[in-house]
Amino acid sequence: RKEVEQDPGPFNVPEGATVAFNCTYSNSASQSFFWYRQDCRKEPKLLMSVYSSGNEDGRFTAQLNRASQYISLLIRDSKLSDSATYLCVVRPPLGNTPLVFGKGTRLSVIA
Amino acid sequence: DAGVIQSPRHEVTEMGQEVTLRCKPISGHNSLFWYRQTMMRGLELLIYFNNNVPIDDSGMPEDRFSAKMPNASFSTLKIQPSEPRDSAVYFCASSAQGSNYGYTFGSGTRLTVV
Repeated sequence: RKEVEQDPGPFNVPEGATVAFNCTYSNSASQSFFWYRQDCRKEPKLLMSVYSSGNEDGRFTAQLNRASQYISLLIRDSKLSDSATYLCVVRPPLGNTPLVFGKGTRLSVIA
Repeated sequence: DAGVIQSPRHEVTEMGQEVTLRCKPISGHNSLFWYRQTMMRGLELLIYFNNNVPIDDSGMPEDRFSAKMPNASFSTLKIQPSEPRDSAVYFCASSAQGSNYGYTFGSGTRLTVV
């Protein structure tokens, strides 16, 4: 099983739709979790951290399910500008080890 | 804050040539990471440094790749000799060691080896 797995998509959704991505991770002792956004031909940028209690930032909601070892990202009222690749990121449990990035899920929001 | 600065933005070179990629991390960040991104393999960690010391270079593909961090504000990734399969986007990222925050990435260097 890969360390971090995501459905590559693409997810093609109309403007205003709600879309959700899931990501699974293999190490149950992983420490922290993030969602990054990467626009075409640009660098990845931190979108939000994922907390055990779940967290929301505007139209974006992230949730963590430690028992099932998955992380989700929900986007409500999708905008054209949300079109990007969303990377699921996990910090392994051993000390200060580097973040592990999933390959990303591509989202296209269509007018 | 200028962010993580990488140069050059684009590099086209012939097979067999030496390529040097440069990175200036965010001031105060003491961890620096070099990643390579391709469509097939996604983001791969090549090497990372803590306090200018290389910690893990197990991701470096082979001896043709080398990285240095002579001081806290500068790092290089060198490929010698370059091959067409090295064509990718190379990202540098930095963070404050021990931080629970993620990494800040540079804009990347798009390398094409012909």
